[in-house]
Amino acid sequence: DSGVTQTPKHLITATGQRVTLRCSPRSGDLSVYWYQQSLDQGLQFLIQYYNGEERAKGNILERFSAQQFPDLHSELNLSSLELGDSALYFCASSRDHYGYTFGSGTRLTVV
Amino acid sequence: AQSVTQLGSHVSVSEGALVLLRCNYSSSVPPYLFWYVQYPNQGLQLLLKYTSAATLVKGINGFEAEFKKSETSFHLTKPSAHMSDAAEYFCAVTHLNNDMRFGAGTRLTVKP
Repeated sequence: DSGVTQTPKHLITATGQRVTLRCSPRSGDLSVYWYQQSLDQGLQFLIQYYNGEERAKGNILERFSAQQFPDLHSELNLSSLELGDSALYFCASSRDHYGYTFGSGTRLTVV
Repeated sequence: AQSVTQLGSHVSVSEGALVLLRCNYSSSVPPYLFWYVQYPNQGLQLLLKYTSAATLVKGINGFEAEFKKSETSFHLTKPSAHMSDAAEYFCAVTHLNNDMRFGAGTRLTVKP
């Protein structure tokens, strides 16, 4: 157990739907990062939050959004889902720049 | 902008042989460099990290990596491969206040 908790582990939904992925960071970590991993795109950085505020944005689609709550957990919202959004979504947390701790991911399948 | 390039998407070695996974980085400032391992259906696990201290970094499971500024490289090695080393390996780079950028990954296969 890495200390970073992601729920749900698996999610199957239809095109056009909206889903929410949840991440609880390791205790004491203020930064949360979201990554998308797919076979054709590899590991893509989506977005970072630090202590509730957006810190950096990567290749995140406009249909996607995220937030970090006062208790530091984070949610990634994916809407108007397309088949191409099927991927593994990872959350990672850190308290400094010396390495991230990853959760075990949420596997999203859009049918 | 920072980036890493992993040379070879697939590497196959025999059990007991040397493992060498290549990573070159691009960074305009001194980088922090990392190697992560991903086993099937799992998240990424930190193997080792370079943060401007010793250039030869030792990690878990017998892996080590050497930071070579002149070659902009941070190759991962292990003297003797074990079957349990079969996994996907990712090199990553970051710097203060920047997010971490990952390479495309190298799948290591270990043959008996």
